[in-house]
Amino acid sequence: GESVGLHLPTLSVQEGDNSIINCAYSNSASDYFIWYKQESGKGPQFIIDIRSNMDKRQGQRVTVLLNKTVKHLSLQIAATQPGDSAVYFCAESDQAGTALIFGKGTTLSVSS
Amino acid sequence: EPEVTQTPSHQVTQMGQEVILRCVPISNHLYFYWYRQILGQKVEFLVSFYNNEISEKSEIFDDQFSVERPDGSNFTLKIRSTKLEDSAMYFCASSDEGSGANVLTFGAGSRLTVL
Repeated sequence: GESVGLHLPTLSVQEGDNSIINCAYSNSASDYFIWYKQESGKGPQFIIDIRSNMDKRQGQRVTVLLNKTVKHLSLQIAATQPGDSAVYFCAESDQAGTALIFGKGTTLSVSS
Repeated sequence: EPEVTQTPSHQVTQMGQEVILRCVPISNHLYFYWYRQILGQKVEFLVSFYNNEISEKSEIFDDQFSVERPDGSNFTLKIRSTKLEDSAMYFCASSDEGSGANVLTFGAGSRLTVL
């Protein structure tokens, strides 16, 4: 079936670097995408979302880019901090209120 | 800040036993969800609940699973006869229409260990 996945299972960066976490999706009907952060022992925490009618959205230190042509989603974290260390999941759905389908996750490790 | 609370945080049970996991969603939310995460794997959708009925469920959510909203605040997941492969972290989530029905707020999870 169609699913959402991530390119790399792990990413290691130095404090202060910019991080880019990638996600490829296969459902062309997907209309809504979210990035979640999951720290050890906790539930997923919302970071940022984007709808398919946009190609970029910015938050505080984070930017999500959506390329519908190649079905690719990325999360950029500026000036990565040790507190950003976590597993990052992208998720998608094809309409509001339907199930979010999660990808496999990328573990971001930030060293000082 | 409003949060989704889940109990118990960890439950150990014998195979074949019934388990009920409890959740208190955010009070003004209308959509409720259960997800599970087997250790080291991705978060998997189980079921969504809206207007006092199941709105969507995955193939994982077979007839051993059920959900209930017994009162105005609790949302429960029952596993009728647990199997070893039910061992996982179970996350409850809720969302509302105002902020976008897909912006789910997750609880901290209930770890289920089936022996």
